[in-house]
Amino acid sequence: NAGVTQTPKFQVLKTGQSMTLQCAQDMNHNSMYWYRQDPGMGLRLIYYSASEGTTDKGEVPNGYNVSRLNKREFSLRLESAAPSQTSVYFCAGSWIGTGVSEQYFGPGTRLTVT
Amino acid sequence: KQEVTQIPAALSVPEGENLVLNCSFTDSAIYNLQWFRQDPGKGLTSLLLIQSSQREQTSGRLNASLDKSSGRSTLYIAASQPGDSATYLCAVRPTDSWGKFQFGAGTQVVVTP
Repeated sequence: NAGVTQTPKFQVLKTGQSMTLQCAQDMNHNSMYWYRQDPGMGLRLIYYSASEGTTDKGEVPNGYNVSRLNKREFSLRLESAAPSQTSVYFCAGSWIGTGVSEQYFGPGTRLTVT
Repeated sequence: KQEVTQIPAALSVPEGENLVLNCSFTDSAIYNLQWFRQDPGKGLTSLLLIQSSQREQTSGRLNASLDKSSGRSTLYIAASQPGDSATYLCAVRPTDSWGKFQFGAGTQVVVTP
């Protein structure tokens, strides 16, 4: 089992460029998440998908779009990158039901916008 | 809204000393609490998960306790080693926020040889 995987690991963009961060999981999670992590700010939820076909905004969704392509894949798109989007991006997955849920994280994508 | 706090933000201990890490949350209505470890430049690795009905959970040198009524969890790491140096984060899954988790900012730990 690969767990939660993310591509790419590193990316440098110029202001205004677009890109898509890819995430896939083989853990049969129904829910998937995109977070960003910045020094002093902790982890902040950008978007999440509670189940295939649904997506919802998190704490900091502006400037991002997401697609839950199927149960395994959840992508994050930056349409017009800005320096404020320089961050480390983490994808996570979990099985959400009426009870205990454990989150599993990918290795992260380190994005720099110049 | 659920808030999760980890104090202190950083601590340094000599090798061999026991580590005590704190996590506080404001609303006791949770399904579970999870402790993570994060090494520099890496993702989060799950260490322990405690269900809301449990008082503690153990794995090797790690022991996590949960006092839901007072909104506190403590992670104990016995006989610390330099390899324990990392940032430790806690997260709760509130019962009123379907599918979302609330994270603390983490405690950065340095274990000196």
